[in-house]
Amino acid sequence: DADVTQTPRNRITKTGKRIMLECSQTKGHDRMYWYRQDPGLGLRLIYYSFDVKDINKGEISDGYSVSRQAQAKFSLSLESAIPNQTALYFCATSDIRGRGDSGANVLTFGAGSRLTVL
Amino acid sequence: DQQVKQNSPSLSVQEGRISILNCDYTNSMFDYFLWYKKYPAEGPTFLISISSIKDKNEDGRFTVFLNKSAKHLSLHIVPSQPGDSAVYFCAARTNAGKSTFGDGTTLTVKP
Repeated sequence: DADVTQTPRNRITKTGKRIMLECSQTKGHDRMYWYRQDPGLGLRLIYYSFDVKDINKGEISDGYSVSRQAQAKFSLSLESAIPNQTALYFCATSDIRGRGDSGANVLTFGAGSRLTVL
Repeated sequence: DQQVKQNSPSLSVQEGRISILNCDYTNSMFDYFLWYKKYPAEGPTFLISISSIKDKNEDGRFTVFLNKSAKHLSLHIVPSQPGDSAVYFCAARTNAGKSTFGDGTTLTVKP
């Protein structure tokens, strides 16, 4: 099984629908993130969580909400989807203790969830 | 204002030659720089990192060079292999733990 699992992998929905993307991890990492990637662009941070009780907005949080249900689970919701939220969404985790990455806060990514809003 | 820039959207090199991918940044507060590689239909995977207090880090065929005065880093891959063909993202981290990504460079290594 993958260290970071995202569901669904692909989703097509209509404008105005509520959508939830789920992420679970088996890394035992404290920190979890949601990124968005648009064609030809880099990854932009939507929300991040450094522990279960800590939720923070990233650079593009408008129109999104998140829930950290447990250390291993971090879900992203679009309350009322719009077409410009069509994108590839990535969940990622990192270890606050910096084990094995010399303090660089290396991110481990899921395989991505491709969302299309019609 | 984009804090991390990869000005070359694509790069094509011959197998066995050197690939050089470049990245520029504007924020002096970044303390770590990382390179990630992404294949189609997969998430990015970590490749190599460098601390802001160093100017070079090497791992096998991959070497990252950091020029702090120029706010520039580069990833060298030598020798390049067809399996290296992927999108490469430069990322920079602040001590708050957040990473900012460049737009990526698509590397194609031709056999």
